[in-house]
Amino acid sequence: GVTQSPTHLIKTRGQQVTLRCSSQSGHNTVSWYQQALGQGPQFIFQYYEKEERGRGNFPDRFSARQFPNYSSELNVNALLLGDSALYLCASSFGEVGDTEAFFGQGTRLTVV
Amino acid sequence: RKEVEQDPGPFNVPEGATVAFNCTYSNSASQSFFWYRQDCRKEPKLLMSVYSSGNEDGRFTAQLNRASQYISLLIRDSKLSDSATYLCVVAPSSGNTPLVFGKGTRLSVIA
Repeated sequence: GVTQSPTHLIKTRGQQVTLRCSSQSGHNTVSWYQQALGQGPQFIFQYYEKEERGRGNFPDRFSARQFPNYSSELNVNALLLGDSALYLCASSFGEVGDTEAFFGQGTRLTVV
Repeated sequence: RKEVEQDPGPFNVPEGATVAFNCTYSNSASQSFFWYRQDCRKEPKLLMSVYSSGNEDGRFTAQLNRASQYISLLIRDSKLSDSATYLCVVAPSSGNTPLVFGKGTRLSVIA
């Protein structure tokens, strides 16, 4: 399945954080979502075959990349209190919407 | 107007009840539709895809009305284990923009 690390993280305002995602075997698309408490997941990035295919309405403090083995990292710089959320990674084969997306268990980020 | 809107909930129903969730979407070009289930502090998991002809999976029935841009989920004979948040999800026709989630509707099935 899809695995994310770490599962929980506490950071201080202004710090930087890197979240990691290992996609399901055979999957070439990875998407990142941010889910604030009581809200649905909001799209951040999508990578397909190691190229960025979509970016949500997030500031430039957010960046991501996909590696040759299709794993992915999400980086957030200059953390704000409002960045506290559950960060979800989803992998699929082909472009999302065509096949089922499988989510990792998420990384719960708390910014203090 | 939000891209995907759902009933605000929460829905508190007794075991055995039938409950229906509604969802509307704003992008008329949307091509794929889903219901995801999310348990407390867990990741979303696909419950079922939604097709124009409607589809049923056991106690769950999903319907899509493209003309009204409306999606529904019906759960019959509710079980305690159905307690979760149900997310209405839409994917546009283009592959470059991924899943768009509603805010979710929380269901609590009580004994």
